Amino acid sequence: GEDVEQSLFLSVREGDSSVINCTYTDSSSTYLYWYKQEPGAGLQLLTYIFSNMDMKQDQRLTVLLNKKDKHLSLRIADTQTGDSAIYFCAERDDKIIFGKGTRLHILP
Amino acid sequence: DAGVIQSPRHEVTEMGQEVTLRCKPISGHDYLFWYRQTMMRGLELLIYFNNNVPIDDSGMPEDRFSAKMPNASFSTLKIQPSEPRDSAVYFCASSLRRGGLNIQYFGAGTRLSVL
Repeated sequence: GEDVEQSLFLSVREGDSSVINCTYTDSSSTYLYWYKQEPGAGLQLLTYIFSNMDMKQDQRLTVLLNKKDKHLSLRIADTQTGDSAIYFCAERDDKIIFGKGTRLHILP
Repeated sequence: DAGVIQSPRHEVTEMGQEVTLRCKPISGHDYLFWYRQTMMRGLELLIYFNNNVPIDDSGMPEDRFSAKMPNASFSTLKIQPSEPRDSAVYFCASSLRRGGLNIQYFGAGTRLSVL
């Protein structure tokens, strides 16, 4: 079936790295996505990775993809207070399926 | 482009009333999605359109919900009659699919409260 699983909460100290994990089910997805939702706003694309890649790096963001295990992760280096948000993993090419989101809380 | 525009931003209504939510997608986009977000259920896909045609409405909760897309620049989500359990934030998103890449752009949402 269609399902994207994520842990619901993550607390990280400011300056540390945050790692948000996701498992998905549809191995035919051409791309996999990470979206960010700040309070009172809609989701916004953070980054995406082509399914034939293992890793993608974009400034403080690193995405790792393990197709064999259908596991996707998002690493945020040097986490800042502005990174506090809900992060959604998503799959599928047409009917995009979102996970329930991981709420990232930054500790001072 | 102004992005995806939703109206109203907030709606408070009484149980039994009809509610109409509106969405203007980004010009040139060929997909339009309606979502509902609650703390308990997270983000739920209600329905999506491709080139103004409804493709999958399996997420629409029941017959009280209906959605239309009369043209490429406008869509509505209607709830009639509304119930307190319909209280949620409703998002509209649009996208332009290029090959397998389908990046969605979300509106700011409509916060619906049914009393």
